[in-house]
Order: sequence, then structure tokens, then C-alpha cells
Amino acid sequence: AQTVTQSQPEMSVQEAETVTLSCTYDTSESDYYLFWYKQPPSRQMILVIRQEAYKQQNATENRFSVNFQKAAKSFSLKISDSQLGDAAMYFCAYRTNNYGQNFVFGPGTRLSVLP
Amino acid sequence: DAGVIQSPRHEVTEMGQEVTLRCKPISGHDYLFWYRQTMMRGLELLIYFNNNVPIDDSGMPEDRFSAKMPNASFSTLKIQPSEPRDSAVYFCASSSSGQGLGETQYFGPGTRLLVL
Repeated sequence: AQTVTQSQPEMSVQEAETVTLSCTYDTSESDYYLFWYKQPPSRQMILVIRQEAYKQQNATENRFSVNFQKAAKSFSLKISDSQLGDAAMYFCAYRTNNYGQNFVFGPGTRLSVLP
Repeated sequence: DAGVIQSPRHEVTEMGQEVTLRCKPISGHDYLFWYRQTMMRGLELLIYFNNNVPIDDSGMPEDRFSAKMPNASFSTLKIQPSEPRDSAVYFCASSSSGQGLGETQYFGPGTRLLVL
């Protein structure tokens, strides 16, 4: 069974600085998708960024980018120019492309942004 | 599009009562998911549907939980009888197999359930 690990329960970053959140996963599949979701205090789950495993190029969405290392099964999220609104729980998620559409979520990392 | 809609947003009930949570997926999406989030267990998939048919309900905790999807635009998650340990935030999410975008799941705002 697939598993997703986020080894940093909590992180903090100074406003305008850069922070990297770690995610590793375990799978025997070769075709899959990876996601980062953000959950602010409102509890709404918001998609931040997604990556297809077959693509070597790292995904980028404005200030958010990933470092996808397929061989190492690592999928870290980099937030540049951190803003107060980035403070939230961040969940890494995995979805296989071979069957169904169920996701496996990591336990989350709580990010604090310090003014 | 209005996104995934859930109701109610908050529910407080007493132990033993029946609770019904409702979800309207994004129009055109053919997959619907029910999740439960607690501090202890994180985000857990309870059940998901494809074209209104339940595909995997292995995450449903016990017989007190049931889910239905009578049509493409509506699903319910029912707990009967409810217990204090069912207190959690319940999320509904939907996705489209024809999306071509990695079938991203889009989440509703959640229902915060408190069972006293």
C-alpha cells in the first residue's frame, strides 16, 4: 500500500523569506500524481500545486514550486517570498493512475509565517 | 462554478441521534469522495463513488455509517446512531476522470460535526 510521510509536523518562516516543506512517499507504481494542498484556519482544502510523475520538469505556480525527485520518492514544496496568508496546514497527497481515484494524504505540516 | 457545496457547515447533536451530511459535487464531475478529518487520525477517506456507484467503502468505520449518491448532483453521508467519537470535520470532494489535469480533487468547505 502507498504511504505518504511528512517528517516536519511544524515549520516557521519569516515573512518574505523562503521555506521548503518535505514529503516522501512509498509506492511500487511508476505512473502517479502528486499534490500539495493547503488548509488555512477556515479548514477549506485548497489545491496549491500538482505534479505528474512522468514529467521530469518540476511544477511551478507563482511563488510555489516543487522539487520532484522520482528515484528518491521525494516531493518537496518551496514557498518563496512567504506571506502571512501562507500560514496554514500543508498536506502532501499521492494518487496512483492505475486504478480508482483515491488519494493518500500525508499527516500534514503546520506552517507559521512570522511578521 | 460554485465549487463543491456541503451542508450544513456546522452540526451539533446529541449522542444517539441521526446525522445527515449533504454534498453537491461540481457539475460534470463523475467522482465523489467523503473524507473525515480528526486531530488523531488526520484525513481519512471514507468512501468514494464513480458515476453514482460506490467503488470503495473500506474506509467506512462501521455499520453506523452509510453513504448514498442517488444522482450525479447529490450525495449524503448518514451516521445513525451518532457517538461522541464521530466528532470531526467531514469533507466532500469531487473530480472528473476526463479532466486531463491529473484528476485533481476539489474539496468542499467541510461540515464540522460535534456529537455531545
